[in-house]
Amino acid sequence: DAGVIQSPRHEVTEMGQEVTLRCKPISGHNSLFWYRQTMMRGLELLIYFNNNVPIDDSGMPEDRFSAKMPNASFSTLKIQPSEPRDSAVYFCASRDRRDSPLHFGNGTRLTVT
Amino acid sequence: GESVGLHLPTLSVQEGDNSIINCAYSNSASDYFIWYKQESGKGPQFIIDIRSNMDKRQGQRVTVLLNKTVKHLSLQIAATQPGDSAVYFCADRNSGSARQLTFGSGTQLTVLP
Repeated sequence: DAGVIQSPRHEVTEMGQEVTLRCKPISGHNSLFWYRQTMMRGLELLIYFNNNVPIDDSGMPEDRFSAKMPNASFSTLKIQPSEPRDSAVYFCASRDRRDSPLHFGNGTRLTVT
Repeated sequence: GESVGLHLPTLSVQEGDNSIINCAYSNSASDYFIWYKQESGKGPQFIIDIRSNMDKRQGQRVTVLLNKTVKHLSLQIAATQPGDSAVYFCADRNSGSARQLTFGSGTQLTVLP
């Protein structure tokens, strides 16, 4: 089991640029979650998908953020345009059923200058 | 100006001693609780979970205790080892919420040689 795979591990970009973060969930898991972690706010849920369908995106901070899940094995989180306050570690997680724990990837550390 | 971040509670224990990490939750409707361990540069890693119909669950070197009366959760680690040094998060799930898990701010555990 390769676990949840995220890319890139680190991303440094300039304000105003588009950023795309990628996630491959564990095979067979039907729910996928995007979280953001900062020192100020801890771990925050941004959006989650069930069977590739977005269920709750109320945690997405602004219209600059968008997420897609075109198939069961791939999801993207896009920020356009990026701002310095978006700097954080972004985690993707997946699970196979509602009563099972989330399995997290190792995150993408985003720095927007 | 200086940014104000989350003030993580810290716990320092001697190698070989037992550790107890505490967590309070606020929602009496929460029905599922999880402990995660996060090492530097990695994503949160599942340790143990417990459902609200239980008050104790044991794993390998870890025990979770749930006191629903006072809405308190604790993680006990037996014979703490240097590899246990990490930030530990509790999370709970509101049975009626679509937002899934709510994470606490974490406790930094440091194991002293």
